[in-house]
Amino acid sequence: GQQVMQIPQYQHVQEGEDFTTYCNSSTTLSNIQWYKQRPGGHPVFLIQLVKSGEVKKQKRLTFQFGEAKKNSSLHITATQTTDVGTYFCAGGGSSNTGKLIFGQGTTLQVKP
Amino acid sequence: ETGVTQSPTHLIKTRGQQVTLRCSSQSGHNTVSWYQQALGQGPQFIFQYYREEENGRGNFPPRFSGLQFPNYSSELNVNALELDDSALYLCASSPFGGSGNSPLHFGNGTRLTVT
Repeated sequence: GQQVMQIPQYQHVQEGEDFTTYCNSSTTLSNIQWYKQRPGGHPVFLIQLVKSGEVKKQKRLTFQFGEAKKNSSLHITATQTTDVGTYFCAGGGSSNTGKLIFGQGTTLQVKP
Repeated sequence: ETGVTQSPTHLIKTRGQQVTLRCSSQSGHNTVSWYQQALGQGPQFIFQYYREEENGRGNFPPRFSGLQFPNYSSELNVNALELDDSALYLCASSPFGGSGNSPLHFGNGTRLTVT
């Protein structure tokens, strides 16, 4: 079945350093979504990418969707302690169902 | 705007028992999805309900069942509980039904512990 893999699983950075997490799907995706989950919280929607090669920015966050629509990345510039949490990518398949497949997440720790 | 609300927040059950979890969708949202999140893992899709019918199901056995009501709220029922069912159960609503293309708005979840 469809799988979505994320690397790395954990990342510890010093405040001010950059951070990148990568997401790869075993199948072509209709869209990719990114969510952030703070410790003890629930996933919160960040962004959705739909087009091949799409790049979107939100302040210090840059999201990319691969040309083949099978991979994606999230890059954070100059991390802050407020960026702490687990970042999940979630892929939508081509079938007309509500199924979103989540990766296992990348947990980011930021040292002040 | 009222967000997604789930009840109860925590629950402890014994193996073999049955449980019902409840979810009220965000106002204006007609679709509800249920996810299971084990500790340290990403959410796993259980199923989605749209127009009171199941619209897509993940790799979960039939003892996981659900309902959606005319006001778009939803229930998740799990029969014959097993120890591995211990997890955070997340409900998410979205405004456009029928596909995996709608961003999800999650509730705070129900933490289920099976002993």
